[in-house]
Amino acid sequence: KAGVTQTPRYLIKTRGQQVTLSCSPISGHRSVSWYQQTPGQGLQFLFEYFSETQRNKGNFPGRFSGRQFSNSRSEMNVSTLELGDSALYLCASSVAGRYTEAFFGQGTRLTVV
Amino acid sequence: AQSVTQLGSHVSVSEGALVLLRCNYSSSVPPYLFWYVQYPNQGLQLLLKYTTGATLVKGINGFEAEFKKSETSFHLTKPSAHMSDAAEYFCAVTFTGGGNKLTFGTGTQLKVEL
Repeated sequence: KAGVTQTPRYLIKTRGQQVTLSCSPISGHRSVSWYQQTPGQGLQFLFEYFSETQRNKGNFPGRFSGRQFSNSRSEMNVSTLELGDSALYLCASSVAGRYTEAFFGQGTRLTVV
Repeated sequence: AQSVTQLGSHVSVSEGALVLLRCNYSSSVPPYLFWYVQYPNQGLQLLLKYTTGATLVKGINGFEAEFKKSETSFHLTKPSAHMSDAAEYFCAVTFTGGGNKLTFGTGTQLKVEL
């Protein structure tokens, strides 16, 4: 059974640009969550999508957005990139609505220069 | 609101020694608690979880943790450390109805020395 796939693994962008990250959950998983990991702030929850609807949202500015498609694949977008957006972005998928085990992808390392 | 505190950002043990990584939580409702491990440039791998039932939870790679409600703790232990255990460990909490929003501790870097 394939795991959570995040693409790309590494990305370098310039300040002011926008970026889209992709996450393909494990087959059959309908919940996808996104986390940002930085040395200074640690692991922080961005948002969760379940059945194409945003169910939970963390405390991030509106520049961070996401969506989920009917096949449960998810994308997150960051507009007007800032240097502080440099981070490892992790996606996690789970089977269904109530909390179940979250399986994490290997992450996308975003560097903003 | 929920939170997790991991005492000790760096822990060093000798190979074969006991591993003890500390985690205390704060939650106004019954929590679900987890320990994850992260190797360099990798995602998170679940070691073990407590949701309901038995308070002593056994996980992968010989790790276990005990949920102690009276102490609001969920410390991770392993009787004998191996070099391959060197990694960063994260404690996390959520609760029933919380969806999949995990609140993580700041992590503990475990170093295993010969």
